[in-house]
Amino acid sequence: AQSVTQLDSQVPVFEEAPVELRCNYSSSVSVYLFWYVQYPNQGLQLLLKYLSGSTLVESINGFEAEFNKSQTSFHLRKPSVHISDTAEYFCAVSRIQGAQKLVFGQGTRLTINP
Amino acid sequence: SQTIHQWPATLVQPVGSPLSLECTVEGTSNPNLYWYRQAAGRGLQLLFYSVGIGQISSEVPQNLSASRPQDRQFILSSKKLLLSDSGFYLCAWSGYRGGLNTEAFFGQGTRLTVV
Repeated sequence: AQSVTQLDSQVPVFEEAPVELRCNYSSSVSVYLFWYVQYPNQGLQLLLKYLSGSTLVESINGFEAEFNKSQTSFHLRKPSVHISDTAEYFCAVSRIQGAQKLVFGQGTRLTINP
Repeated sequence: SQTIHQWPATLVQPVGSPLSLECTVEGTSNPNLYWYRQAAGRGLQLLFYSVGIGQISSEVPQNLSASRPQDRQFILSSKKLLLSDSGFYLCAWSGYRGGLNTEAFFGQGTRLTVV
């Protein structure tokens, strides 16, 4: 079985400051890793994913995450945040094969202050 | 391209009433389909998943059931709603690429309030 721990339930930062949202996972099998973003009263949107290859993955809006197998982490970072980044962020893992039952962390609410 | 539709967007139902939420996927065939629930202030909990027509797996015992009458249709139901069924329900689909899972894509969600 897989599990995901997001270490911070809320992260307040000032606009244009850097941010890191932490995610640790556990699994006895190889997994895929994802970050999803949820804006208020909306569904989840895929932000970025690690399937294989380079351990550093990037999104189109400036976020990046690095897969660290030894530390079983997949932290999300952005060097300079904007007001529009205010949202809930979910880290998730899934098995590579078989029914893809995504296992989510509890989420981190990112609040950007002007 | 693939799209996922989920409706209704919001729903207010009295305790004891039935429930039917529908989800359909377009632009793909034989998707894996999922129902998740997000309770207030909590993460997402997988309720049901389906790998094919008529094949439903339940992750947690509860007052809900799911059905997949067609390849790209997934329905979440209840005969009698409880207050604890309130929450944000999300449908999702995923596929395969080269025999391996792809990422999952989510619908816009249904906000269910049981009163």
